[in-house]
Amino acid sequence: KNEVEQSPQNLTAQEGEFITINCSYSVGISALHWLQQHPGGGIVSLFMLSSGKKKHGRLIATINIQEKHSSLHITASHPRDSAVYICAVRSYTGNQFYFGTGTSLTVIP
Amino acid sequence: DVKVTQSSRYLVKRTGEKVFLECVQDMDHENMFWYRQDPGLGLRLIYFSYDVKMKEKGDIPEGYSVSREKKERFSLILESASTNQTSMYLCASKIGGGGNEQFFGPGTRLTVL
Repeated sequence: KNEVEQSPQNLTAQEGEFITINCSYSVGISALHWLQQHPGGGIVSLFMLSSGKKKHGRLIATINIQEKHSSLHITASHPRDSAVYICAVRSYTGNQFYFGTGTSLTVIP
Repeated sequence: DVKVTQSSRYLVKRTGEKVFLECVQDMDHENMFWYRQDPGLGLRLIYFSYDVKMKEKGDIPEGYSVSREKKERFSLILESASTNQTSMYLCASKIGGGGNEQFFGPGTRLTVL
């Protein structure tokens, strides 16, 4: 059983569409991370959340601690948003991370 | 900017060879991690290190060992490479303690023939 579940696994959208990626987790956490991985492998951190909501440009991340659920939204999607988006949670101890299997997003012009 | 570098982007080795994957970070981070990433399985932790000369097994340590002789460098060693170790290997580092994010290297795609 995976401690972190993401949905959908794959997502194709038309440019300009509003996109939502969901993440549910089953362990106690101190923070949740949304990561982006472009073809070629490099991973960058988009958000680190412990409560509420964060916004960076066209990206919005929310978390509901009681429901153990987070969402990543992309407004006005663009082909350069095409990537794999990974949800990761950090355990209470702070050093153990659990990762979702990722959502592969393709935005078509 | 934090920089995490890995010694190779692509590596091809033969079964039974000893393989060294090197990771270097330039921000004096205490914690360093080695993951492997496989389709459908996500990132899985192999080993991590709290500090110099300290190491802890992750979820899948079998067939691997690590070395942390200097704070900036964390090496992953495959003592005798096998075909099921063909994977993408990712190194990450972070400041010690619970409140900090990980910074990832570009990854090494290892193929074992």
